[in-house]
Formats: sequence, C-alpha cells, structure tokens
Amino acid sequence: QVQLVQSGAEVKKPGASVKVSCKTSGYSFTDYYTHWVRQAPGQGLEWMGWINPDSGATNYAQNFQGRVTMTRETSISTAYMELRILKSDDTAVYYCARWDDTALAYWGQGTLVTVSS
Amino acid sequence: SYVLIQSPSVSVAPGKTARIPCGGNNIGDKSVHWYQQKAGQAPMVVIYYDEDRPSGIPERFSGSNSGNTATLTISRVEDGDEADYYCQVWDSSSDHWVFGGGTKLTVL
Repeated sequence: QVQLVQSGAEVKKPGASVKVSCKTSGYSFTDYYTHWVRQAPGQGLEWMGWINPDSGATNYAQNFQGRVTMTRETSISTAYMELRILKSDDTAVYYCARWDDTALAYWGQGTLVTVSS
Repeated sequence: SYVLIQSPSVSVAPGKTARIPCGGNNIGDKSVHWYQQKAGQAPMVVIYYDEDRPSGIPERFSGSNSGNTATLTISRVEDGDEADYYCQVWDSSSDHWVFGGGTKLTVL
C-alpha cells in the first residue's frame, strides 16, 4: 500500500534551518509529484510547493521563495524539504503529499517543527 | 495571487444537509478539490475535480462549482463528519496551488 513516512519532530532556534524527510513506499516514486503543505497551530493549510521526483524540477510558493529547497533521493524513494532562516511563525506541522492526477490523495503523518529560542 | 474565501464555521444538526461554500474569482473556470481534516489527523480528499468522489467516500458527499462559488454538500450529516474542510485549486496564472482558509463543520 502507498505510504509516506516523515521524519520526527524538530526543535530549532530562530535563524536555523530544518530538513524534513518523506520516505515513500508502495508505488513508483518518480511517477508522482510530491507536494509540501504546512499548517501552523490552529491555522489552515498552506501550500509550499512541489518537486517532480523524476526530473528534480521544483515549483515553490511565493511566500517561501529563497528560503525553501525541495530535493529528492530516488534511490531510496525519499523527498526532502529544507527551510532556512527559521522564524517563530514557521512553527507548524509540515506534510508531504502525493499528487496523483486527482488530488493530494496520500499524505504523510506530518512533522512538527517548533522554532523557539 | 488567487484567493479562496471560506466561512470560518458552519453548524448543522445531525441528519440535515451541510453546505460549505468556497468563493473565488471565476472559480467556476477552475477545478476544485475538497479535503476533510479531523482533529490531529492529516487531511483527506473527499471531492476532486469539482464533483468526483474517491473510492470509500460516502455518496452523502457531493460537490458543485459555478460562477464565483464552489460548494461542498454533505447530506444526512453524521457526528463523524465533524471536521475542518478545505477547498483547493490550481492557479494557472502563477502555476501555484492555493487552499482556502478552511471551514469548521460543527454537528450540533
């Protein structure tokens, strides 16, 4: 079955970087785009961008341009999202999700990133 | 950038019909996807491409999209439908995806 398993919770200081991983299984990793979505505490969903695991091409939301990098390692079917220059309002649950020509049909369990001094 | 507007909350009695609107400029020209998110869980798609249901989603869930409003309709609402609901579209002008702010459905 399709699974997306994310790395564990992180606590970072302001100004630091965080890299979240999303290990996939149960499908051909390079056949489906991986999206990243975040959700601040008590807030709504915010789309961050996607990566084409086949080509490595990326598309980032305007709010994150210059601060986010999405990469992948096809040999281990894993996508990564790195966010730099963290601020307190980057505290959120970060999700990876697979786009499968219908919608974001499969989601990871989420990774809580806490930014605090 | 494209903006989707959702009412913060909708309340409905069990067995009644809930309608959750999602407003956007000429949203009828776009394809709308709807996600349900229960407390502490990842979102789950309940409607894609305006009106299609993934397997496993009850027929009680339906969608429509026209003009400046897309609507998720939940018939014969059950306690288990209590959740946050988000609409999502792809904005071709920016090649970016956009979520609405979400609507909290409360079952009275």
